[in-house]
Amino acid sequence: AAGVIQSPRHLIKEKRETATLKCYPIPRHDTVYWYQQGPGQDPQFLISFYEKMQSDKGSIPDRFSAQQFSDYHSELNMSSLELGDSALYFCASSLVSQETQYFGPGTRLLVL
Amino acid sequence: AQTVTQSQPEMSVQEAETVTLSCTYDTSENNYYLFWYKQPPSRQMILVIRQEAYKQQNATENRFSVNFQKAAKSFSLKISDSQLGDTAMYFCAFMNPRTSGGKLIFGQGTELSVKP
Repeated sequence: AAGVIQSPRHLIKEKRETATLKCYPIPRHDTVYWYQQGPGQDPQFLISFYEKMQSDKGSIPDRFSAQQFSDYHSELNMSSLELGDSALYFCASSLVSQETQYFGPGTRLLVL
Repeated sequence: AQTVTQSQPEMSVQEAETVTLSCTYDTSENNYYLFWYKQPPSRQMILVIRQEAYKQQNATENRFSVNFQKAAKSFSLKISDSQLGDTAMYFCAFMNPRTSGGKLIFGQGTELSVKP
């Protein structure tokens, strides 16, 4: 069965640079979630989209923005990167009617 | 605000034995969902099992089962016949479609080691 696809899988950036993370949900899934997992931490919710509209927002810095496109893929844009942004970023998708979220493999971001 | 607590940072079990991971949560809602996710060293988040709060019957998936105590707000995971491949971090997660917008609220995790 098709799973959630995230790209890139690994990313190294310098401080103050910009990064774009991409997520391709499971086909026919209408909801996308982004989570950030710092070292030794549990995943923290950042933002979600349902049918291309933002549905909820968590502790996402103002330097971050995201959107969902007409083909349902989503992008997380991160600007003015800081050392503390180094983390594993997960995308998850679901059918709003089924509540279960399936996670992608994550993007490991390292900010130097 | 809903919270999820896993009070066991680390646990270990011998291969083929049974282990139970604990999870408690706090909510004033009546309808919600609870999940256990497994995160092996690859750091992929893998769904283990899910429980709907309106269902009294405990969920079971092969060697994995839960003990859901709604009144006590407790949701423990039992792993039977533990295998080396069960070594992973296990996260308990809560979701309320109405109040949390569908986002998952995770506990701190329990790191399980299965020893040969």
